[in-house]
Amino acid sequence: DTAVSQTPKYLVTQMGNDKSIKCEQNLGHDTMYWYKQDSKKFLKIMFSYNNKELIINETVPNRFSPKSPDKAHLNLHINSLELGDSAVYFCASSPRTSGDNEQFFGPGTRLTVL
Amino acid sequence: QKEVEQDPGPLSVPEGAIVSLNCTYSNSAFQYFMWYRQYSRKGPELLMYTYSSGNKEDGRFTAQVDKSSKYISLFIRDSQPSDSATYLCAMKGTGRRALTFGSGTRLQVQP
Repeated sequence: DTAVSQTPKYLVTQMGNDKSIKCEQNLGHDTMYWYKQDSKKFLKIMFSYNNKELIINETVPNRFSPKSPDKAHLNLHINSLELGDSAVYFCASSPRTSGDNEQFFGPGTRLTVL
Repeated sequence: QKEVEQDPGPLSVPEGAIVSLNCTYSNSAFQYFMWYRQYSRKGPELLMYTYSSGNKEDGRFTAQVDKSSKYISLFIRDSQPSDSATYLCAMKGTGRRALTFGSGTRLQVQP
């Protein structure tokens, strides 16, 4: 199956913990993204990597650190989790040929911080 | 004011109806316009992608962009219960990598 995949699908954890979410795409795309979707369904960009290089870093607390070991993977590590971090986190990728206009999303990771 | 405004709905229509979904935006730098469909507990799925003003048709779906009014629309003909989902508009300017999304309109098509 060609797709953008994320693990885990669900993550429930206590405040103050550190957790990671992994993303992999086998579409051969050059650019990958992390978006956050809040309870009102509003999707907002967090980070973007192009061929392992950070190109977008929106106003995100530095408790969030993305890591791209290769162009097919983009992981998100979150330190000292807070209640407000509860959301659905989506990974996406786009091909260079579309000028990053066509972005393909993973299934999401639903993070609940208690 | 948000850069992209979208009526949250829910919009409820009978099966077979023509549905019109709309977004307005304030940033005149936006050149690329997309519509995504998101089923409950799933990731957004790209439906339509248009560049600048004009119409684009794909099966039962038609996307319209009016840059002079900063207004985009998605029309769904002969709507089906399987079209029930949240529809998100998204936009992007040249040279900017990330999409700016509307908050989504929830559509319910009643059988």
